[in-house]
Amino acid sequence: GAVVSQHPSRVICKSGTSVKIECRSLDFQATTMFWYRQFPKKSLMLMATSNEGSKATYEQGVEKDKFLINHASLTLSTLTVTSAHPEDSSFYICSARVGQERSPLHFGNGTRLTVT
Amino acid sequence: GIQVEQSPPDLILQEGANSTLRCNFSDSVNNLQWFHQNPWGQLINLFYIPSGTKQNGRLSATTVATERYSLLYISSSQTTDSGVYFCAVDPPGGTSYGKLTFGQGTILTVHP
Repeated sequence: GAVVSQHPSRVICKSGTSVKIECRSLDFQATTMFWYRQFPKKSLMLMATSNEGSKATYEQGVEKDKFLINHASLTLSTLTVTSAHPEDSSFYICSARVGQERSPLHFGNGTRLTVT
Repeated sequence: GIQVEQSPPDLILQEGANSTLRCNFSDSVNNLQWFHQNPWGQLINLFYIPSGTKQNGRLSATTVATERYSLLYISSSQTTDSGVYFCAVDPPGGTSYGKLTFGQGTILTVHP
């Protein structure tokens, strides 16, 4: 089955630093990947759509300069949280779809970010 | 945008009991998926079920697309079934392609 790998699974950083999270499709190519964010005891909210070879599209209210997305190849998308602050602490999870519209999304295992 | 409502929000069961989780959505959908999020945060893909009925072991799901709801059945529950169950939908085409909207989840606790 389709596997999406996310790294790191957990990261602790200090305020003001930047953190990069990687999302890889291991056994398929993904022209589009999706980044979600989940606050404790809450549901998942779509942050942005990562498009291979072009700019990401961000959902309303998501700061594109804070959350930099790069989709440089058909199997890798990265999310960089820049100048992180404690309020950026959250669970970030990526997903990708094999094939076209009528197929399931597959999710990575997520990254728990803690900013101190 | 599309609204997704799940019920009940919390469910406590004794091991061996059966349960039904419901997902209502406000518009037609291309995709509907059920997920189980375990205590470590991993989202386990349970069913991809935009319509019809599917079964996988003790779990089964039914989506009635024309009436805009889906049901997840858990039979003979086990403590390992504990966690949060999410329903997520993907409205038809265009700019919404691939953008799953999640319900608020049902927190299931199964006691031994």
